[in-house]
Amino acid sequence: QQPVQSPQAVILREGEDAVINCSSSKALYSVHWYRQKHGEAPVFLMILLKGGEQKGHEKISASFNEKKQQSSLYLTASQLSYSGTYFCGTEIGSGGGADGLTFGKGTHLIIQP
Amino acid sequence: NAGVMQNPRHLVRRRGQEARLRCSPMKGHSHVYWYRQLPEEGLKFMVYLQKENIIDESGMPKERFSAEFPKEGPSILRIQQVVRGDSAAYFCASSPAGSRGEQYFGPGTRLTVT
Repeated sequence: QQPVQSPQAVILREGEDAVINCSSSKALYSVHWYRQKHGEAPVFLMILLKGGEQKGHEKISASFNEKKQQSSLYLTASQLSYSGTYFCGTEIGSGGGADGLTFGKGTHLIIQP
Repeated sequence: NAGVMQNPRHLVRRRGQEARLRCSPMKGHSHVYWYRQLPEEGLKFMVYLQKENIIDESGMPKERFSAEFPKEGPSILRIQQVVRGDSAAYFCASSPAGSRGEQYFGPGTRLTVT
């Protein structure tokens, strides 16, 4: 089952904050976040495992609420380089790691100067 | 440390021909995944392989598509008798053995069927 991402698109001014959500109808083992720029490969940002993790990566952090079966990606003080499409990839059930991921349709983020 | 390599980067095939896409994982990675991406769509899982084994091919179309990851050499995704609907970007990702599953993507092969 494909996770649902929201919003579909967001336009920000440089320095503003954004939140991107990823929801699943199934119990999740892990959530992976990637950023993809047009015509390029997706770039790994972070992985969160069940257990209610919260992780950070420079000014980009994420949370994983196992009960709600959702994850949120937080971008603070956005920079022009943050522009791109953000995908969440989910692994369901007991997992164990190293399975194929089911990706959402993506959230387009445009940062304007 | 080279990343995931894919070739060719662009491939044009006529309907009915065969397409062969190659993927060399990152050094030390023994898990390979293939995904397909249509324009404005997310990545769709196709197949997960380890050396000489197909672990999960639940996302592969039943006909015309096959994948392998031999003991030596790159992983190959083969599409026989291509049709226009096969036109897409095909991405390969790899992860190390015993990892929690973080996957590192190659630059992709853009297949165009004319």
